[in-house]
Amino acid sequence: DSGVTQTPKHLITATGQRVTLRCSPRSGDLSVYWYQQSLDQGLQFLIQYYNGEERAKGNILERFSAQQFPDLHSELNLSSLELGDSALYFCASSVDISGNTIYFGEGSWLTVV
Amino acid sequence: AQTVTQSQPEMSVQEAETVTLSCTYDTSESDYYLFWYKQPPSRQMILVIRQEAYKQQNATENRFSVNFQKAAKSFSLKISDSQLGDAAMYFCAYRSDNTDKLIFGTGTRLQVFP
Repeated sequence: DSGVTQTPKHLITATGQRVTLRCSPRSGDLSVYWYQQSLDQGLQFLIQYYNGEERAKGNILERFSAQQFPDLHSELNLSSLELGDSALYFCASSVDISGNTIYFGEGSWLTVV
Repeated sequence: AQTVTQSQPEMSVQEAETVTLSCTYDTSESDYYLFWYKQPPSRQMILVIRQEAYKQQNATENRFSVNFQKAAKSFSLKISDSQLGDAAMYFCAYRSDNTDKLIFGTGTRLQVFP
């Protein structure tokens, strides 16, 4: 158990819908990352927050957004869902931003039908 | 931009034997971190081992060790005394010292035969 908690574990939704994925980082970790793992794109970095502020953006679509709350949990919002958004979405966390190890949650498996 | 290459899509090993997974990376930076993550069928990403680029000594964690060749930009993972539970996808990852994101390779699927 990495200490990073993600909900829900599985989610099936229809095209055009909106979903929210939730993540609680490890106790004491200030930095939260979101990654997408799909068959065709592999593991891709989406976005990072550090202590409530957006720190880095990767290949995140405009239909996707995220935030980190004062209690450090984070949410990834996916809207106008398309079939191609079906993927495993990982949340990860680390203590800070200076090269420390990043620990991953178990992922949220999203299926868009 | 940094890239990570895993040229072996699949590898297999017999139980109790040793196997080496390859990883090369491309970077112009001198300070960075390298990782191997394991992804079993449960899909969770589990950290196997970590190497700081400034350290010349190769990292070791029990049966797992790395061969880090900085000049060659090579970072291979050696699994000794392979066990059935080692069967998984293994991802090599790079993290720069001045950015926080991990850049992953495409993974190597390891099969372990009894």
